[in-house]
Amino acid sequence: SQQGEEDPQALSIQEGENATMNCSYKTSINNLQWYRQNSGRGLVHLILIRSNEREKHSGRLRVTLDTSKKSSSLLITASRAADTASYFCATDDTSGTYKYIFGTGTRLKVLA
Amino acid sequence: DAGITQSPRHKVTETGTPVTLRCHQTENHRYMYWYRQDPGHGLRLIHYSYGVKDTDKGEVSDGYSVSRSKTEDFLLTLESATSSQTSVYFCAISGGTGDYYGYTFGSGTRLTVV
Repeated sequence: SQQGEEDPQALSIQEGENATMNCSYKTSINNLQWYRQNSGRGLVHLILIRSNEREKHSGRLRVTLDTSKKSSSLLITASRAADTASYFCATDDTSGTYKYIFGTGTRLKVLA
Repeated sequence: DAGITQSPRHKVTETGTPVTLRCHQTENHRYMYWYRQDPGHGLRLIHYSYGVKDTDKGEVSDGYSVSRSKTEDFLLTLESATSSQTSVYFCAISGGTGDYYGYTFGSGTRLTVV
């Protein structure tokens, strides 16, 4: 099945540094989303980027999408300890069934 | 999370017993989903619903059934629980593929099958 693959699996950085996570997927998409999950909690939607968009910003988040390479990246600038979480990309398909397939996630740890 | 609740939050059950998990939403969203989350696998779609009495299978549907008799409720049933179904189960809702705000997830149900 189509699935996003995040890279790296785990990332540890110092507070104030930037964090970059990558996602690759297999088939054509309409949209790609990024989610955050704090330990033991449900996922929270961060940002959606459509297949005809190349870059989106939301606060300290910057998402890029390269449909020719079937890849996306999530950049968190000036990271904070509160950004410590797992981050997942999710891709839909073009079948019109409105379901998203999630990757295995990147575990980000921001050290104070 | 606001607008979506899962019950129970935790459950321990014995192998071979039936189990039903409930997802309830107050957002009047058309689409509802059940995922399971396991270490190393991320989230995997079990079943989803695109309307009352309209459901379809996801990638890991074996051993699970669902029902949606009302817009607000989506039930996930394990007919005969097995240890491999020990997992954290998440329900999600969506207004559809054009929903700019993505999925809203419930807080999850931690199920242990012993």
